[in-house]
Amino acid sequence: AQSVTQLGSHVSVSEGALVLLRCNYSSSVPPYLFWYVQYPNQGLQLLLKYTSAATLVKGINGFEAEFKKSETSFHLTKPSAHMSDAAEYFCAVRGFTNFGNEKLTFGTGTRLTIIP
Amino acid sequence: AAGVIQSPRHLIKEKRETATLKCYPIPRHDTVYWYQQGPGQDPQFLISFYEKMQSDKGSIPDRFSAQQFSDYHSELNMSSLELGDSALYFCASSLGQVSGNNEQFFGPGTRLTVL
Repeated sequence: AQSVTQLGSHVSVSEGALVLLRCNYSSSVPPYLFWYVQYPNQGLQLLLKYTSAATLVKGINGFEAEFKKSETSFHLTKPSAHMSDAAEYFCAVRGFTNFGNEKLTFGTGTRLTIIP
Repeated sequence: AAGVIQSPRHLIKEKRETATLKCYPIPRHDTVYWYQQGPGQDPQFLISFYEKMQSDKGSIPDRFSAQQFSDYHSELNMSSLELGDSALYFCASSLGQVSGNNEQFFGPGTRLTVL
């Protein structure tokens, strides 16, 4: 089975500071990993994804994540936080249903607050 | 570019009523997924369809049913609504079940409130 654990349900950073959102995964097969962002009252938007190619993945809005197999981690980072980054962030792993079809399993989310 | 469309965006129902949520996938996408996100919770997989056939069920109550039509749109039918059904329901679509570049594109969600 596949699962992800997001460390820290709430993270606050100052504007201009480094953003680091943590995600650890568990997977019995080589994982495909995703980061989604959800703004208030909106749907899920894909930030970036890892599908077994380059371990450092660059996404939209200046975010990037590094896949580290030895640490089973896929942490999301951004060098300098903007006020517009305030949102809920979900880490997800591709999993499979009992019939072998694909589904996404999400972490519990991290709410990012930006301090002016 | 066309995105996943969900309707309605907001729905208010009474307990024991029924609700129907609709999802229109991105053109040419043949796979549809439904997720339920309770207040303060992560999205949970409910059910998926591939080429109009049900792929699998996740944590979907027996009171819920869904189908995918010939034009690939999908409807989630919910009966005997309970207060706990209040949630944001997401639909996502993808092109096939092929691994690698299979990305799920999410719709904006339907917020269901059961009073």
